[in-house]
Parts: sequence; structure tokens; C-alpha cells
Amino acid sequence: GEDVEQSLFLSVREGDSSVINCTYTDSSSTYLYWYKQEPGAGLQLLTYIFSNMDMKQDQRLTVLLNKKDKHLSLRIADTQTGDSAIYFCAERTDSWGKLQFGAGTQVVVTP
Amino acid sequence: SQTIHQWPATLVQPVGSPLSLECTVEGTSNPNLYWYRQAAGRGLQLLFYSVGIGQISSEVPQNLSASRPQDRQFILSSKKLLLSDSGFYLCAWSSRTGGEQYFGPGTRLTVT
Repeated sequence: GEDVEQSLFLSVREGDSSVINCTYTDSSSTYLYWYKQEPGAGLQLLTYIFSNMDMKQDQRLTVLLNKKDKHLSLRIADTQTGDSAIYFCAERTDSWGKLQFGAGTQVVVTP
Repeated sequence: SQTIHQWPATLVQPVGSPLSLECTVEGTSNPNLYWYRQAAGRGLQLLFYSVGIGQISSEVPQNLSASRPQDRQFILSSKKLLLSDSGFYLCAWSSRTGGEQYFGPGTRLTVT
């Protein structure tokens, strides 16, 4: 089956840039997503990228997609304490919209 | 704008009792609907998805079932809960043509 892998933990200093990495295995993925989850809350869609794109920028967020290596990254510029959360990478591989999620990366922002 | 609701927000149920979790979507028509379970605050597992009223697909065999009695209503049920059914249940929706998938606030279920 398909697997989406992420590192489990990232610590970053406030004001620095954060980079969260993700690898996926299904080359037929059509969309790739980044979600943010704060404690006790649902998942917030941060951004997503269509598989024919290499990069997408949205304010402080930059998504890079390397299809050859099946590697996706999320860069958060000027990381703030409010960015502390778990970040999930997900891929969509079919027309029904089913998503395959990674285990999530816990990002801790320190002052 | 579209919104997605889930209730209840939290639920504590004894083993062997029935379950009914509800999800409704506002502001859109003919959405695809999904139930996910998140265990131990980490990875999400897709349980069911639906592309229309009465159309339910199950992703994993389990003690749960789903129904879609109305276009924008999705229900997760069980006749007899197991301890292993504890977790955080998330409903989501997507449009038929768009790429985005949006999640509800979730229901925290504890089976005792």
C-alpha cells in the first residue's frame, strides 16, 4: 500500500524558518496537502499543491514538490509561537478524494 | 461559505453500548463525505466515504457502520462499542471537482 512518511518532531526558534519534510510513494498522487492540528481541534487545511506544480507560495507558507523524488516540503517563514502544532502531510490518489496521511510532525516553537 | 459541524464534541460510553455520531455540512451541495479516526493524537485512518445519498464505501473492516440519509448528513454508528473504538473521530467533506478537503472539529470518544 501507499505510505506517507514524516519526521515526528521539529523544534524551531521564534523568528526562524521551519521546514517540514514529507515523502510519499504513490506516483499517481494528484494533490498533496498540508494540514495543521492544534491540541483537541480538528485539522485545518493550510495549503495544497496540484501534482503538476513545483512550488506554491501563500503568505508565510511555501510548498515545494519534487515529483522525481516524491518529496514534499512546507516552509514556514518567520515562525511564531502560534505555529506550534502538529502538521500533517497527505496525498490524494483517486477521484473519490480519499486521503492518505502521514503520522504528523510535532512543531514546537521556542522563544 | 461552507461549514461543517460534528456532535457531540465529547462522549464517554461504556463497552457494549450503541453509538451515533453526526456530521452535517452547510453551504454546499452534493459533497463527498468522509469519516476518519485518529488514535493517540497522530495518524488518521479513513473509515468510510460517501459520494451520494445511501452510497457508503468502507475502507477497513470494523465494528462501525456509516449512513448518509440526506445529502449533507453523514452518521457514524455502532451497535456495540469496543474499548478499541476509543479515539478522535473526524468528519470531512470535499466538492466533486475541487481539490480541497475540509475537516470538522471532531468528536472525542472514550469507551470505558
